[in-house]
Amino acid sequence: DAGITQSPRHKVTETGTPVTLRCHQTENHRYMYWYRQDPGHGLRLIHYSYGVKDTDKGEVSDGYSVSRSKTEDFLLTLESATSSQTSVYFCAISAGVGYEQYFGPGTRLTVT
Amino acid sequence: RKEVEQDPGPFNVPEGATVAFNCTYSNSASQSFFWYRQDCRKEPKLLMSVYSSGNEDGRFTAQLNRASQYISLLIRDSKLSDSATYLCVVNSAGNTGKLIFGQGTTLQVKP
Repeated sequence: DAGITQSPRHKVTETGTPVTLRCHQTENHRYMYWYRQDPGHGLRLIHYSYGVKDTDKGEVSDGYSVSRSKTEDFLLTLESATSSQTSVYFCAISAGVGYEQYFGPGTRLTVT
Repeated sequence: RKEVEQDPGPFNVPEGATVAFNCTYSNSASQSFFWYRQDCRKEPKLLMSVYSSGNEDGRFTAQLNRASQYISLLIRDSKLSDSATYLCVVNSAGNTGKLIFGQGTTLQVKP
């Protein structure tokens, strides 16, 4: 299995609080992605990174920010969590354009 | 129209059956195609890449029809352990490395 970890694996937080999710890889892959998965919507891309300090928005980026200061770490921040951000968040990595992506185990976030 | 469309199912089949899933994609410029498997409450895992010439991995066969923008997955001799959701995945055109995921087809294999 690809070396991808996510932390925390589960989190319950209150509306309005900031939350940071971490994705860590040991594969030295250039591309990293954050997705959310909700019933009826499938996997939706939030943000992605194509190198250290190089990030771009996905299809559902509102309310989220990301940072990548090292190849191995990609952070997703919810500046002020809302109940609509209750979801399962997956991180993925890829060696390059057109390559397959490998997923981390996911973080279950509940915003009350 | 969704970029990647799949029949959500569920497909309920007996053990030993052969089952086929289909998927259509809208962007004719897409170059990379995959099937992923996702078990309940788990992360998606790569099942196989799909090549233009078609490819087989044990009981699994994937086919690509670029002219019709259609991808298929055939599972022979279904096992109980094949029960899962199967995601059709296509790369987004351009140099972003982004993949577009279908919503998945659910397979339930019954004893």
